[in-house]
Amino acid sequence: EAQVTQNPRYLITVTGKKLTVTCSQNMNHEYMSWYRQDPGLGLRQIYYSMNVEVTDKGDVPEGYKVSRKEKRNFPLILESPSPNQTSLYFCASSFLAGGQETQYFGPGTRLLVL
Amino acid sequence: ELKVEQNPLFLSMQEGKNYTIYCNYSTTSDRLYWYRQDPGKSLESLFVLLSNGAVKQEGRLMASLDTKARLSTLHITAAVHDLSATYFCAVDLASYQLIWGAGTKLIIKP
Repeated sequence: EAQVTQNPRYLITVTGKKLTVTCSQNMNHEYMSWYRQDPGLGLRQIYYSMNVEVTDKGDVPEGYKVSRKEKRNFPLILESPSPNQTSLYFCASSFLAGGQETQYFGPGTRLLVL
Repeated sequence: ELKVEQNPLFLSMQEGKNYTIYCNYSTTSDRLYWYRQDPGKSLESLFVLLSNGAVKQEGRLMASLDTKARLSTLHITAAVHDLSATYFCAVDLASYQLIWGAGTKLIIKP
C-alpha cells in the first residue's frame, strides 16, 4: 500500500530535550516536505527536499533540522525543543514532474513541549 | 510578503445549497492545490490546477484557477453532509515551496 508513515504519532517532551520525528514514504517520490499546523494559521512549511542530499528552508525553519540521506526517509530533528514548537506536524511527499505534483500526507505527529 | 487568503474562514450551510470558497494569492503562480482535512485526520488531495483557466470537477466539487486575477474558487453544488470538512488551498512558488491558506471550515447541516 502506498503510504507516508510518521513516528511517533504523539509525543510529550520537555524543553531542551532533543527529539527526532521520522518520516518514510514507499512511493519513490523525489519531493518530501515537513509542515506544522497550528489553529487559524493553516499549514506552514518548515523544510522541503527535492531529492537525496537536497534540502531547503520553508517558511518557518528556525529551531528545526532535516536530513535526506535516503530517498524514502526525511527525518525532522528538534535539537532543543521549546514550548512554541508545540504543534501538529505533517510529513508529505510527491513526484516532481515539471513542478510539484499532488502531495501525499502522513498521519501527523502531535507534539507537546512542556 | 506572499499571502494566500481564503474566504470565508467558516461556513455553515444547509444540505442541497450551493456555495463557493475563494482563494486569493498575492504573487505570480501557475499552480494551485486544493486539499481537504477531516477533523483529527490528515490531508487529502482534491485538485491540482496547473494553468490559467484550469477547471476540474469531482462529484459535487469544482475548482477553477484564474492566474491573472490570482484567484481560485472551489464551488460546492447541492451540498451533502459528507462534504463537511476543512478545505485548504495552497500556492506553489516557482521554488517548489508551498504557501497555504488558513483553511475554510465547512459545516453542512441536514
